Amino acid sequence: NAGVTQTPKFQVLKTGQSMTLQCAQDMNHNSMYWYRQDPGMGLRLIYYSASEGTTDKGEVPNGYNVSRLNKREFSLRLESAAPSQTSVYFCASSEVAAIFGPGTRLTVL
Amino acid sequence: AQRVTQPEKLLSVFKGAPVELKCNYSYSGSPELFWYVQYSRQRLQLLLRHISRESIKGFTADLNKGETSFHLKKPFAQEEDSAMYYCALSGLGTDKLIFGTGTRLQVFP
Repeated sequence: NAGVTQTPKFQVLKTGQSMTLQCAQDMNHNSMYWYRQDPGMGLRLIYYSASEGTTDKGEVPNGYNVSRLNKREFSLRLESAAPSQTSVYFCASSEVAAIFGPGTRLTVL
Repeated sequence: AQRVTQPEKLLSVFKGAPVELKCNYSYSGSPELFWYVQYSRQRLQLLLRHISRESIKGFTADLNKGETSFHLKKPFAQEEDSAMYYCALSGLGTDKLIFGTGTRLQVFP
């Protein structure tokens, strides 16, 4: 039972490059979330998905897209990375209380 | 609108001193409130849910609907309590989980 897994753990991009952050959970949870964590800003919700096939914008969705591929997987895509997207990204899933993944540390140069 | 406010960025205490980390919220419906803890370079972990009314690692939190607060308390701080603490809110019947900006607790020996 792995819980919530995220890949990659670290990534460095150049401005304008694209990438997809992967997240998977094996707890059969309906809800999944993507957050970014920045110093002094706490965790800010980017997108969330209440169930397979549905997604909703959070507080800071600009510059991101998501896909809820199936119940297990929820991916976050940066189409054209910007330095302002340098952050630590956390995926989470929940049924009652959120369980978090280990995070992806992304640097955009 | 959902909002969680943690007014203190940093709280420093000595071992054995009482601790209170403040959390205030804004939500028009029935909220569900949580405290999460993040130890250095680790993922976030659930510490408390207001519904369960448990005491975890000596921490307690009471929901005060009149003051819209959910402060986290511990009577005697330990060095291993040093971490980032996040208050979070979800509305009953919604899946949107919003976090505060966090409070760093430092416990000195």
